[in-house]
Amino acid sequence: EPEVTQTPSHQVTQMGQEVILRCVPISNHLYFYWYRQILGQKVEFLVSFYNNEISEKSEIFDDQFSVERPDGSNFTLKIRSTKLEDSAMYFCASEKSRSRDTEAFFGQGTRLTVV
Amino acid sequence: SQQGEEDPQALSIQEGENATMNCSYKTSINNLQWYRQNSGRGLVHLILIRSNEREKHSGRLRVTLDTSKKSSSLLITASRAADTASYFCATVSGGYNKLIFGAGTRLAVHP
Repeated sequence: EPEVTQTPSHQVTQMGQEVILRCVPISNHLYFYWYRQILGQKVEFLVSFYNNEISEKSEIFDDQFSVERPDGSNFTLKIRSTKLEDSAMYFCASEKSRSRDTEAFFGQGTRLTVV
Repeated sequence: SQQGEEDPQALSIQEGENATMNCSYKTSINNLQWYRQNSGRGLVHLILIRSNEREKHSGRLRVTLDTSKKSSSLLITASRAADTASYFCATVSGGYNKLIFGAGTRLAVHP
């Protein structure tokens, strides 16, 4: 069964460093998302991406964040200068279409720890 | 305002019992989805119910939706220890398909 894969599964980084989280969505999917979940809290929407541009972003997704689909398969989330409060689980998701019945497929997540 | 708030926050039952989790939301929706998350792991899609549907079944899962009360419930029948996880409802509204998640219900099923 096709799945969304995310790498790495766990990343530890120093405050102020740049990190890139990688995702390989399901191959025939067209809509891509990043969500994050701070430990013990709810899953929060960060950004949606379609046709090589951002469709929508949340207030969390400030200038420190960027997304890219550099090669038609990978979908990356970059945090330019990490802060302690960026520590969270980051989930990538993809969808085939935007019909009312569309199911989002999530990856296993990348646990980012900023020290 | 919060969208997709579940109750109870935690539920502890014995194997074989039924588990019912509720979700309330505030704005009109296109659909409502339930996800499961094992501790520290990814989100697994369980079931989607459209705004014009009232009830849906999938195996041991039964979901209801009451748009007049802006609420949904997830029933897991004949629970198993393997059902132990957190369960989240998530709503989709408007023209984009972003999911707005609730805080989740932590279900513990004891053998």
